[in-house]
Amino acid sequence: EVQLVESGGGLVQPGGSLRLSCAASGFTFSSYWMHWVRQAPGKGLVWVSRINSDGTTTSYADSVKGRFTISRDNAKNTLYLQMNSLRAEDTAVYYCAVATSAYWGQGTLVTVSS
Amino acid sequence: EIVLTQSPGTLSLSPGERATLSCRASQSVSSSYLAWYQQKPGQTPRLLIYGASSRATGIPDRFSGSGSGTDFTLTISRLEPEDFAVYYCQQYSSSPFTFGPGTKVDVK
Repeated sequence: EVQLVESGGGLVQPGGSLRLSCAASGFTFSSYWMHWVRQAPGKGLVWVSRINSDGTTTSYADSVKGRFTISRDNAKNTLYLQMNSLRAEDTAVYYCAVATSAYWGQGTLVTVSS
Repeated sequence: EIVLTQSPGTLSLSPGERATLSCRASQSVSSSYLAWYQQKPGQTPRLLIYGASSRATGIPDRFSGSGSGTDFTLTISRLEPEDFAVYYCQQYSSSPFTFGPGTKVDVK
């Protein structure tokens, strides 16, 4: 059974940092591109970032470029999102997902507030 | 950046009726790299359609996708009670892999 379990969310002050993790199991993690998608409370889905299967190619939404870094450890079957210089508008549930697939995690809530 | 526009914003229909949802792109989506997702309150998005017209595993055949270039459509042939939800299109043709703002299908 495919499982994606996000962790690392929480309350952080503006300007602070958080690192999200997504532990994958039930499939060959190292073979798949992975994405982060976020959803602010009551709002729509917003694509955040993508990484290729071996971690050598990444891309970002303009709103997070230069502040967020996506990475992966295929030995640990884990995807990461390092988030720096956080802003109130980054408040959202963050989902990890296998690229264009039915496999999404349940999400982790990030709240940026003083 | 490819901007996706979905219409209508809200579609009010009764069970058994046909739903037609539109997704228009600001520039051509190459190779029909267009997906549709369904999301219900408190739930994770569910992939319905990929490649503009291919149903994902386990998706009922009342859901169908069509279109190419800049105009795409999701059709639900006969609405079931469990189909009332928000529907998003997403292009994965070029980065950033943008989502549309969503269409809410609610009960009339």
